Amino acid sequence: ETGVTQSPTHLIKTRGQQVTLRCSSQSGHNTVSWYQQALGQGPQFIFQYYREEENGRGNFPPRFSGLQFPNYSSELNVNALELDDSALYLCASSLPQGVDEQFFGPGTRLTVL
Amino acid sequence: DAKTTQPPSMDCAEGRAANLPCNHSTISGNEYVYWYRQIHSQGPQYIIHGLKNNETNEMASLIITEDRKSSTLILPHATLRDTAVYYCIVGPHSGGYQKVTFGTGTKLQVIP
Repeated sequence: ETGVTQSPTHLIKTRGQQVTLRCSSQSGHNTVSWYQQALGQGPQFIFQYYREEENGRGNFPPRFSGLQFPNYSSELNVNALELDDSALYLCASSLPQGVDEQFFGPGTRLTVL
Repeated sequence: DAKTTQPPSMDCAEGRAANLPCNHSTISGNEYVYWYRQIHSQGPQYIIHGLKNNETNEMASLIITEDRKSSTLILPHATLRDTAVYYCIVGPHSGGYQKVTFGTGTKLQVIP
């Protein structure tokens, strides 16, 4: 059983650019949640996708957007990057709503210069 | 907007029990308590969850007070590999808990 994978592991962008981060969920999991983790802070919920539809969103502006594909993999897109977007971006997959455990990927470290 | 309060750091001697407290005084009736931990540079790892009864699994025990306003995660025999940041979060069981923001957690240092 393959765990949650994310790509790339690290990337560096400049302010104003756009970035796409990718996540492959654990086999059989159709729910994917994305989190932003700034240095020294806990993960902050961005949004969740369930069966290719956005299913809840945290306090993030519209320049943070996502997609979920039929194979349940997911993308996080961030437009017009700002310096404060520098963080570890985590995705987590889980079975349909009502199940307990989320499985997190290792994260993508984004640095915005 | 985390709904839990945890001490920022704790030390524990290797082989001893680590008791990590969490205050969740505003927890509502349908909300569960979940614990995750994050070892440096890795994604968080699920540990345990509970509603009102004490729970135990192969990793830890969870003790929830009768009024449900606080809980304690117990690692019975801490090892150096248990050094991590431990997060306590609350949320509804039916999928909603994943939509919460984690607090800053407790940094547990296990000392040889």
